[in-house]
Amino acid sequence: DVKVTQSSRYLVKRTGEKVFLECVQDMDHENMFWYRQDPGLGLRLIYFSYDVKMKEKGDIPEGYSVSREKKERFSLILESASTNQTSMYLCASSFLAGEVEETQYFGPGTRLLVL
Amino acid sequence: GIQVEQSPPDLILQEGANSTLRCNFSDSVNNLQWFHQNPWGQLINLFYIPSGTKQNGRLSATTVATERYSLLYISSSQTTDSGVYFCAVGNQFYFGTGTSLTVIP
Repeated sequence: DVKVTQSSRYLVKRTGEKVFLECVQDMDHENMFWYRQDPGLGLRLIYFSYDVKMKEKGDIPEGYSVSREKKERFSLILESASTNQTSMYLCASSFLAGEVEETQYFGPGTRLLVL
Repeated sequence: GIQVEQSPPDLILQEGANSTLRCNFSDSVNNLQWFHQNPWGQLINLFYIPSGTKQNGRLSATTVATERYSLLYISSSQTTDSGVYFCAVGNQFYFGTGTSLTVIP
């Protein structure tokens, strides 16, 4: 079974703090994704990566950065947390397009509260 | 980006009823997925279905790529089917806003 794990289920931080969210997958997937989910807005893509050290902006990258130093690990960084970044953060991984299906597998999510 | 619209936004069913959820998208895509998000927030992939029809137990899905829509069918619904159903399309996996399903015993 594919396993995608996220470093925390719940996190409380203060405005201005630097926040690290980590995601690890064990299926040797090339693609990794970070989304945030807010009521009524569905899932919105923040960043994705298709290879080590590669990253692409999604729809809402402002205020976030990412790091992918190893294939299995994709980190989301909030450089200076703000209250409007309070949200559910979801990580996913998938194979690169090609002969296999690009089925996405999601982690359990991190609920971040910024005070 | 690609616009994804799901309907209906909310659905309440009696246990045992059937339902059809729809996903419309604004551009040609070469991938499409359906997910179920359970009450604890976990997203589970139901189908990877860029075109054609697939079935898995009581669930089936059909994508008509040329007409830019996909349908998810749930038959003989159970309370465990409750949750939010999302479709996601495109290379960057654009998500719709979901259909919230509640199945009443």
